[in-house]
Amino acid sequence: GAVVSQHPSWVICKSGTSVKIECRSLDFQATTMFWYRQFPKQSLMLMATSNEGSKATYEQGVEKDKFLINHASLTLSTLTVTSAHPEDSSFYICSARDRGTGFAGELFFGEGSRLTVL
Amino acid sequence: GQQVMQIPQYQHVQEGEDFTTYCNSSTTLSNIQWYKQRPGGHPVFLIQLVKSGEVKKQKRLTFQFGEAKKNSSLHITATQTTDVGTYFCAGKNSGYSTLTFGKGTMLLVSP
Repeated sequence: GAVVSQHPSWVICKSGTSVKIECRSLDFQATTMFWYRQFPKQSLMLMATSNEGSKATYEQGVEKDKFLINHASLTLSTLTVTSAHPEDSSFYICSARDRGTGFAGELFFGEGSRLTVL
Repeated sequence: GQQVMQIPQYQHVQEGEDFTTYCNSSTTLSNIQWYKQRPGGHPVFLIQLVKSGEVKKQKRLTFQFGEAKKNSSLHITATQTTDVGTYFCAGKNSGYSTLTFGKGTMLLVSP
């Protein structure tokens, strides 16, 4: 099946620094990728929809200046957590849909990135 | 906006017992997908239902899509310890490009 690679799988950083997380579709092209945040034992909270070649669409309550998303190619989207603070500590997961399946296709998830801000 | 409610939030069963999780949408869905997330892992696609009243089976798992396309269920027969994880439903409204995830049902199976 299709593979989505997410890197890094875990990161620890100091408060005030920025952290970049990459999401790559390895064997398919994705015009759209999604970024989620997941707290322990809770559901996936959609943060934003990343669109190749255009601006990301952010969900209500998600600060676009805090969570910068770039989708520069059909196989790569990045999420940058700027000026991270301890409350940003969470599990961040990306997902992607094969452009060939349109809006109805299944989502392929990355392995997730666990961010800990000290 | 569309909302997808999923119950129960948590269920603990003995191995061999059956398990069902239910998903309800506030709007009519064009399709619904189910995902499983093992502890410490990422969600993995299980199945997609598109047609009204559709029923699909995967070994011990049975998935149903309601006649009105507003609800769905996942039933596991004779659970095994390998079934442990959180099961999410995710619905798509024809007017949206994104899926709306339910909060998930965490299943714990004791041997």
